[in-house]
Amino acid sequence: QKEVEQNSGPLSVPEGAIASLNCTYSDRGSQSFFWYRQYSGKSPELIMSIYSNGDKEDGRFTAQLNKASQYVSLLIRDSQPSDSATYLCAVNIRNSGNTPLVFGKGTRLSVIA
Amino acid sequence: EAQVTQNPRYLITVTGKKLTVTCSQNMNHEYMSWYRQDPGLGLRQIYYSMNVEVTDKGDVPEGYKVSRKEKRNFPLILESPSPNQTSLYFCASGWGRVDSPLHFGNGTRLTVT
Repeated sequence: QKEVEQNSGPLSVPEGAIASLNCTYSDRGSQSFFWYRQYSGKSPELIMSIYSNGDKEDGRFTAQLNKASQYVSLLIRDSQPSDSATYLCAVNIRNSGNTPLVFGKGTRLSVIA
Repeated sequence: EAQVTQNPRYLITVTGKKLTVTCSQNMNHEYMSWYRQDPGLGLRQIYYSMNVEVTDKGDVPEGYKVSRKEKRNFPLILESPSPNQTSLYFCASGWGRVDSPLHFGNGTRLTVT
């Protein structure tokens, strides 16, 4: 079982709509969850972190965490063409061996004007 | 400004010619790591370091070397580059705790002909 899974997309949404990006993870004991945005050819940029069940809002972004179901979501309200990017989910997976964070492969979002 | 600095941004070289990609961070982070990113494969960890003089292999270490003589620097060395090492490389740093995100450098696009 992959440790952090994301739908690769592309997810296409019209401008002004809500984009919903999902991520599931394998470790029930995971405590920290991060969303990164990556434009093509650029480095991943941290946009949200969440540690507790529920919602966390920051501007147009809302992260949602459900530890019982082992998923974390990112909602982008009023999507703009500038939000078109790949979104990476990162989770601390215990006993992952190599790293404090394990990354999903990312979901490509396309916002259509 | 807190940042992770990689150099060079772009590098074209030939098979077998040794090269070094430098990485430096000014946040006093203990943890540093190198990733390569290829289409469809996501971020794959090459090597990581939990502190000075402590390094360990990631998922794809073959053909690479690293060193951590100072806390701020973590160079990636390709002793004899091959075309299959053509990729986009990222250095990242963080506190190495479960609640800590990683901060990425701007990336190095390497082409080996």
